[in-house]
Amino acid sequence: EAGVAQSPRYKIIEKRQSVAFWCNPISGHATLYWYQQILGQGPKLLIQFQNNGVVDDSQLPKDRFSAERLKGVDSTLKIQPAKLEDSAVYLCASSLDRRWDRGKAFFGQGTRLTVV
Amino acid sequence: KQEVTQIPAALSVPEGENLVLNCSFTDSAIYNLQWFRQDPGKGLTSLLLIQSSQREQTSGRLNASLDKSSGRSTLYIAASQPGDSATYLCAVYPPNQAGTALIFGKGTTLSVSS
Repeated sequence: EAGVAQSPRYKIIEKRQSVAFWCNPISGHATLYWYQQILGQGPKLLIQFQNNGVVDDSQLPKDRFSAERLKGVDSTLKIQPAKLEDSAVYLCASSLDRRWDRGKAFFGQGTRLTVV
Repeated sequence: KQEVTQIPAALSVPEGENLVLNCSFTDSAIYNLQWFRQDPGKGLTSLLLIQSSQREQTSGRLNASLDKSSGRSTLYIAASQPGDSATYLCAVYPPNQAGTALIFGKGTTLSVSS
């Protein structure tokens, strides 16, 4: 079974530039999550999708971050403009459904962003 | 609001030592609990998933226990090796009906010296 795919694996940009991350969840998984993990911290949820609708984006800095999941499959997370404090690992995860009795969450390998 | 705490934040041990990592959570109404391993700058590798009806799970030299009523989980690593050096993260699954995402602790960074 193919896992959660993320790209790119690494990205270095200058502050005030824009960047986009891509995630392809496991086939058939309705729920998709984006997490931000700053060095020394645990992953923090940025946004949760159910199919192509947003379930929770309460911790997404909407002045600079945006995310979409067109057609309820792949998802893109964008930062515009980037700040130094956005340097982090961005993790994408997916699950069959929001109900955990239908299965656990699976995580991608992450994208490591460095803003200089 | 659920909060997950991991103690200690960092741990250094000599090779061969047995060790215990701790995870506590403030709301005992969780569905599952999962332990992950993370190498520097990389993604998460799932180690053990303890379902709500279980008390412990074992895989090789790893054993994880769960006491929901007290809000605690422990990860026991036997006969530690330098290759075990990594950050270990604990994550709780909210109640099924909540439909919300996993909540993570900050992790314990383990260093095993040869």
